[in-house]
Amino acid sequence: GAGVSQSPSNKVTEKGKDVELRCDPISGHTALYWYRQSLGQGLEFLIYFQGNSAPDKSGLPSDRFSAERTGGSVSTLTIQRTQQEDSAVYLCASSLVGGRAGGYTFGSGTRLTVV
Amino acid sequence: KQEVTQIPAALSVPEGENLVLNCSFTDSAIYNLQWFRQDPGKGLTSLLLIQSSQREQTSGRLNASLDKSSGRSTLYIAASQPGDSATYLCAGTQGGSEKLVFGKGTKLTVNP
Repeated sequence: GAGVSQSPSNKVTEKGKDVELRCDPISGHTALYWYRQSLGQGLEFLIYFQGNSAPDKSGLPSDRFSAERTGGSVSTLTIQRTQQEDSAVYLCASSLVGGRAGGYTFGSGTRLTVV
Repeated sequence: KQEVTQIPAALSVPEGENLVLNCSFTDSAIYNLQWFRQDPGKGLTSLLLIQSSQREQTSGRLNASLDKSSGRSTLYIAASQPGDSATYLCAGTQGGSEKLVFGKGTKLTVNP
């Protein structure tokens, strides 16, 4: 596609439920990143995928968070047993070869509200 | 650990004014630096990317510079317009890492 596509754009869920957030990167981009932006906070790195390499999961805040990337393209971020502190905007980015070399293109984000 | 700071947190200027947004980082091992714009309720739009070997980049009315030795980057906006109103974020990568470390942004308001 022309840009990084994220769905849904908004999600309201009840505390304790599981949610899945989807990211469809720019076609041909090998690197994919998830970030979280909480109210009043900066963007926080969550996870990074590069090609077929093992993902860098060092930013995931707890074991309730997981992500996968199927076929080197679409990625899904799953949050299990959601808590109110998970409420944030979740942003996905992709890069052609790796952001350090080519910069990053971000999607519009998914705004998650846990009630 | 790399930390990125943006000052001021908010800035309000009259239309037509030239302005500078500041970004400082704690670790001079920063690899590259990127400036983004974020409109309310929207994702991030990349404005300028300064690669490791570069010192500045220009696009239209925007000019960004990077001084690794002093740990600073600046974004210069010439002849500001109300449409420039947004939050401006700087972010850098460090060493062998792919992770972007973001500042908290400067919220710019350009008044007509």
